[in-house]
Amino acid sequence: GENVEQHPSTLSVQEGDSAVIKCTYSDSASNYFPWYKQELGKRPQLIIDIRSNVGEKKDQRIAVTLNKTAKHFSLHITETQPEDSAVYFCAASKRGSGYSTLTFGKGTMLLVSP
Amino acid sequence: SAVISQKPSRDICQRGTSLTIQCQVDSQVTMMFWYRQQPGQSLTLIATANQGSEATYESGFVIDKFPISRPNLTFSTLTVSNMSPEDSSIYLCSAPDRGTYNEQFFGPGTRLTVL
Repeated sequence: GENVEQHPSTLSVQEGDSAVIKCTYSDSASNYFPWYKQELGKRPQLIIDIRSNVGEKKDQRIAVTLNKTAKHFSLHITETQPEDSAVYFCAASKRGSGYSTLTFGKGTMLLVSP
Repeated sequence: SAVISQKPSRDICQRGTSLTIQCQVDSQVTMMFWYRQQPGQSLTLIATANQGSEATYESGFVIDKFPISRPNLTFSTLTVSNMSPEDSSIYLCSAPDRGTYNEQFFGPGTRLTVL
């Protein structure tokens, strides 16, 4: 089955700095890669996703890049703010005619200091 | 995006008892998913609940321990049976967006403590 590795497990940055979280996946057939943000005591929230026919996607201060050849994808957060502090999870799945389940990475705790 | 609710939000239970968690989606979806999130850990898929058929369980999870019902396209239940302290965890249900069938959204979770 799919295996998703996520690094780093914790990341501390100063407000205004950029943060990068990296994930690798094992199944070359995976073609959908979402990122979730989970604040303490809250549900995971989908913040951005990318499909394998796209190399990069941006949404304001967040962006995701995908390298299919190397089987890795990354989340980039620019101009970090204290409210970006949370645990971020990457995931991978295969989308086709049916629905495929998500395999999650172990998560990255991001701490943004004022 | 799908709006998903769960009941109860939290519970404290005695070992050996069972708890049934309810999940309601605001739109009809073919599949719903149940996850477990142990403290400080990632999300682990327990099973996929299809309407009209038996749930599909992931390795390490069995129907006798985690029976699932899916009576219609907007509702599912997960029962945690014969609980032990190791079952203390957050249990989340999720469902895909009805429009795109891609994005997956989560309920608020049920925080279970077993004494």
